[in-house]
Amino acid sequence: KAGVTQTPRYLIKTRGQQVTLSCSPISGHRSVSWYQQTPGQGLQFLFEYFSETQRNKGNFPGRFSGRQFSNSRSEMNVSTLELGDSALYLCASSMTSGGASYEQYFGPGTRLTVT
Amino acid sequence: AQRVTQPEKLLSVFKGAPVELKCNYSYSGSPELFWYVQYSRQRLQLLLRHISRESIKGFTADLNKGETSFHLKKPFAQEEDSAMYYCALFSGGYNKLIFGAGTRLAVHP
Repeated sequence: KAGVTQTPRYLIKTRGQQVTLSCSPISGHRSVSWYQQTPGQGLQFLFEYFSETQRNKGNFPGRFSGRQFSNSRSEMNVSTLELGDSALYLCASSMTSGGASYEQYFGPGTRLTVT
Repeated sequence: AQRVTQPEKLLSVFKGAPVELKCNYSYSGSPELFWYVQYSRQRLQLLLRHISRESIKGFTADLNKGETSFHLKKPFAQEEDSAMYYCALFSGGYNKLIFGAGTRLAVHP
C-alpha cells in the first residue's frame, strides 16, 4: 500500500498570503488528522476529519481551516500568514477514528516557511 | 488536564548500554498510550502501543497506572536506534493524539 502523501513538500510564502496544503491518506483510511510541528511547541493537533466531517479542532486561530473530500483526501488552508506559522505540517491517516486499534500513519510533512 | 511529559530532551548512551526513555502522562480515565519514532530524514512512525504489549526492535514499554508512566526500554542500545522518540496519549474525548516534547536518543559507538 502506498503511504500517506503530502504536497507540496516545501513552500515559501510571504506574510499576509494564504496557503493550501494537500494530503492523500492511505487507501481505505477515512480519518485524516493534521498536526503542526515546531521546535518550540513540538507536535500540536490542528484538526481531524472523518468521512468529510470535522470531528475535532485544536487550539488554533480561525485562520487555520481544512476540509476533506469524498475520496478522503484532505486539504488545510492557512490565511493571512504570520511569521509564527512557519512549521512542518504533518498529516496522518487512520482507518478508524479512535478505539483500541487506533493507529495513525504519518506523511512526510510540508515544510512551510513564512518570510 | 491531559498532558504528556518527556523530561529528557536528549539521552546519550554508548552502544550496548541499556536505555530508558521516560514518559509520564496526565489523563482521567483509561489511557491509550503510544511510542512514535522519527529517524533522520524519515517520517514519524509508530513504534509500539501499550495495548499490544509487544516488543518492537527490542523495545518494550509497560504502562504503570499507579505512577502514570509509560517508559520505553531497551536492554542493549544499537547505533541504529539513534532517533527522536515521542510518547503520545490518545485523547478519546477529543479524538486526537497528544504528544510529548520528544527525546532525542543518541547512541555512540
